[in-house]
Amino acid sequence: DVKVTQSSRYLVKRTGEKVFLECVQDMDHENMFWYRQDPGLGLRLIYFSYDVKMKEKGDIPEGYSVSREKKERFSLILESASTNQTSMYLCASSLQGAGTDTQYFGPGTRLTVL
Amino acid sequence: DQQVKQNSPSLSVQEGRISILNCDYTNSMFDYFLWYKKYPAEGPTFLISISSIKDKNEDGRFTVFLNKSAKHLSLHIVPSQPGDSAVYFCAASFADGLTFGKGTHLIIQP
Repeated sequence: DVKVTQSSRYLVKRTGEKVFLECVQDMDHENMFWYRQDPGLGLRLIYFSYDVKMKEKGDIPEGYSVSREKKERFSLILESASTNQTSMYLCASSLQGAGTDTQYFGPGTRLTVL
Repeated sequence: DQQVKQNSPSLSVQEGRISILNCDYTNSMFDYFLWYKKYPAEGPTFLISISSIKDKNEDGRFTVFLNKSAKHLSLHIVPSQPGDSAVYFCAASFADGLTFGKGTHLIIQP
């Protein structure tokens, strides 16, 4: 059974704070992804990584960075949190190239920036 | 430009009846399609998928139909159950990741 875990379910931060969201998967998947989900906008890809130390920008990378030092762990970093980054953040992983392989999602982190 | 569209933000169906969720796409290069189900405050869970070489895939109460010429896919749930109430996301794939629709909120009425 694939397991993707995220470090926090709920997080409240202040504007300007640096925020770290951690994601860990236990299935030795090469690919990992960070999305945000907002009402009426669906899931939007922020960044993804297909290997350790590799990263690619998704559709909305502005204001975010990522880190992948180990295969099982993918971190999303908000360098200076802003109120428009209040959202549900979802991490996912998949085995091969994202083309034909199912992505498995973590439970999500609901981030509120005040 | 939205490449994957779910035109119905919500759908209400009576328990026991068929639920049909629709999805349209514009990119003819998409070759793999998935449906995810999402409960509030949880991550999406994979439901069912279909490759572009097929036109139908079944898994229990869930069937996905693909009409490539119309660039349309649909998810049928028969019979609908209360636990099916959730947001359903359609996703399409080609090489570099998944493109998601905005979701349809399915409400199963008792």
